[in-house]
Amino acid sequence: KAGVTQTPRYLIKTRGQQVTLSCSPISGHRSVSWYQQTPGQGLQFLFEYFSETQRNKGNFPGRFSGRQFSNSRSEMNVSTLELGDSALYLCASSLAGVTYEQYFGPGTRLTVT
Amino acid sequence: KNEVEQSPQNLTAQEGEFITINCSYSVGISALHWLQQHPGGGIVSLFMLSSGKKKHGRLIATINIQEKHSSLHITASHPRDSAVYICAVEPTLLSGGGADGLTFGKGTHLIIQP
Repeated sequence: KAGVTQTPRYLIKTRGQQVTLSCSPISGHRSVSWYQQTPGQGLQFLFEYFSETQRNKGNFPGRFSGRQFSNSRSEMNVSTLELGDSALYLCASSLAGVTYEQYFGPGTRLTVT
Repeated sequence: KNEVEQSPQNLTAQEGEFITINCSYSVGISALHWLQQHPGGGIVSLFMLSSGKKKHGRLIATINIQEKHSSLHITASHPRDSAVYICAVEPTLLSGGGADGLTFGKGTHLIIQP
């Protein structure tokens, strides 16, 4: 069974631009969660989608948004990029949410210059 | 606010030693996850616990719900166990969870020397 895939793996953007990251979950998984990892803050929860609906949202500004499609693939978007948005963005899929085992993708390394 | 504390932050041990990593949290939870992250960023889920004890190979995870504490043990440690180990919890709805997803500890950097 194929694992969780994320594209692109690496991305360099400049301040003020926007970016879209993609996550394809394991087949049959309906929940996709997104996380930001930085050296200073560690791992932080961004949001969770289940059956195309945002179910949970972390404490991030409205510049961070996401969506989930009918095939459970998910995208997250960051608008008006700031230097502090430089981070590793990870997605994880599970059968039905965070009380189920999480399967993580390899992450997208975003650098904002 | 839910806090997740891990100890130690850094641990260097010799191959073969018994390793214990601790995780304490401050609110009621519905699940606790132990994750492993190798250099390069990939994260693997090791255990998900809501009570008791689980074992997988040389790894053992325990949780005490009343004391709000979990431990991850590695028996017969090996250099390939060198990684960052992260504890994450899902607070219950009663504890204000259900809207904030997982809360993570800062991680324990483990190095096993040959």
